[in-house]
Amino acid sequence: GIQVEQSPPDLILQEGANSTLRCNFSDSVNNLQWFHQNPWGQLINLFYIPSGTKQNGRLSATTVATERYSLLYISSSQTTDSGVYFCAVEVTTDSWGKLQFGAGTQVVVTP
Amino acid sequence: DGGITQSPKYLFRKEGQNVTLSCEQNLNHDAMYWYRQDPGQGLRLIYYSQIVNDFQKGDIAEGYSVSREKKESFPLTVTSAQKNPTAFYLCASSRSGGELFFGEGSRLTVL
Repeated sequence: GIQVEQSPPDLILQEGANSTLRCNFSDSVNNLQWFHQNPWGQLINLFYIPSGTKQNGRLSATTVATERYSLLYISSSQTTDSGVYFCAVEVTTDSWGKLQFGAGTQVVVTP
Repeated sequence: DGGITQSPKYLFRKEGQNVTLSCEQNLNHDAMYWYRQDPGQGLRLIYYSQIVNDFQKGDIAEGYSVSREKKESFPLTVTSAQKNPTAFYLCASSRSGGELFFGEGSRLTVL
């Protein structure tokens, strides 16, 4: 099956710093999503981005499908950005929502 | 408000008992999913359903069962055959092939 690798596994930031999270995948994908899992366990949708670039406030994401990677940018980080960031990909159009998840990047933002 | 409701949020079970986790959505989504998350891990797919009265096994279906009698509901039963049932269980839904949305999750602990 498809492999989804996220880096780095852990990231410690000081409030106000910028960072880049990476997601590599081993096969062509139809869809790619980024999620933020808060300390209570809820998964929050950040981006639905099979290709191209999107921005939402201090967050932005870029997916280069032909090179099989996606990047999530966090700018001017805040303590509320702490949590785990997951990348997930959908391989075929026959498998609605059958997302394959990476292991995640644990982000800690310190005051 | 539209969303996905999971219950209970916390559940304790004795070994050998079956338990059923509830998932209800009012988003009018066709597809529904159950994922399992273990500490420090990504999410793994247990079962998914694209239409009423039909469902398919995911990557780790052994020891679990589901039903899809109504579009809005997709309950998961964790049976006594599941060897390591202690985990965080997440229900999700999507339009056909679209963005995936998650409920708040249910934490199951086997005593």
